[in-house]
Amino acid sequence: AQSVTQLDSHVSVSEGTPVLLRCNYSSSYSPSLFWYVQHPNKGLQLLLKYTSAATLVKGINGFEAEFKKSETSFHLTKPSAHMSDAAEYFCVVRLTGGGNKLTFGTGTQLKVEL
Amino acid sequence: NAGVTQTPKFRVLKTGQSMTLLCAQDMNHEYMYWYRQDPGMGLRLIHYSVGEGTTAKGEVPDGYNVSRLKKQNFLLGLESAAPSQTSVYFCASSRHPTERIYEQYFGPGTRLTVT
Repeated sequence: AQSVTQLDSHVSVSEGTPVLLRCNYSSSYSPSLFWYVQHPNKGLQLLLKYTSAATLVKGINGFEAEFKKSETSFHLTKPSAHMSDAAEYFCVVRLTGGGNKLTFGTGTQLKVEL
Repeated sequence: NAGVTQTPKFRVLKTGQSMTLLCAQDMNHEYMYWYRQDPGMGLRLIHYSVGEGTTAKGEVPDGYNVSRLKKQNFLLGLESAAPSQTSVYFCASSRHPTERIYEQYFGPGTRLTVT
């Protein structure tokens, strides 16, 4: 069965420093993977997606993620954090089988400090 | 183009009361979903629909019912609310998987408190 594990529940960075949010996946097949962001009291917005094309995926707001099959990882990075990046981030894998269902990680809360 | 909308945004219920949450999408998406979000647990799928007139159970369906009478609407019902159903509820929609565009688009959420 497919699943994702977000390795950090909270990450704190200073504005202008790099961001790294870690995600490992479990899947017997080549997975479709996503990162979503949720700002406080808002819905979820798609940041980026991997669907077996390029392993380095660029998303919105300067975020990118690299799919590494050998490490079963899909970590999210950004070179320089901005205050507006403070939010909760979810790593998500698409399940095989019908329904186009997704399974979500438990989330990483990103705090950006001055 | 409003995307996915949810009604209401907030609701407080007493134990045993019933209510219906409405989700509407204007993207002509075939698939629709209801999730609940609880602290530290990510989002969990309650029910989903793969087309008008169809529904299927997700990961946590107990205590909820759904209906998809029109393609653009997906209703979530609580027949007898319990405090354990206090949560934030999100609706989402997606294209048919044959289009090979798998991401889901989410509404703004409904915050439900059951006392």
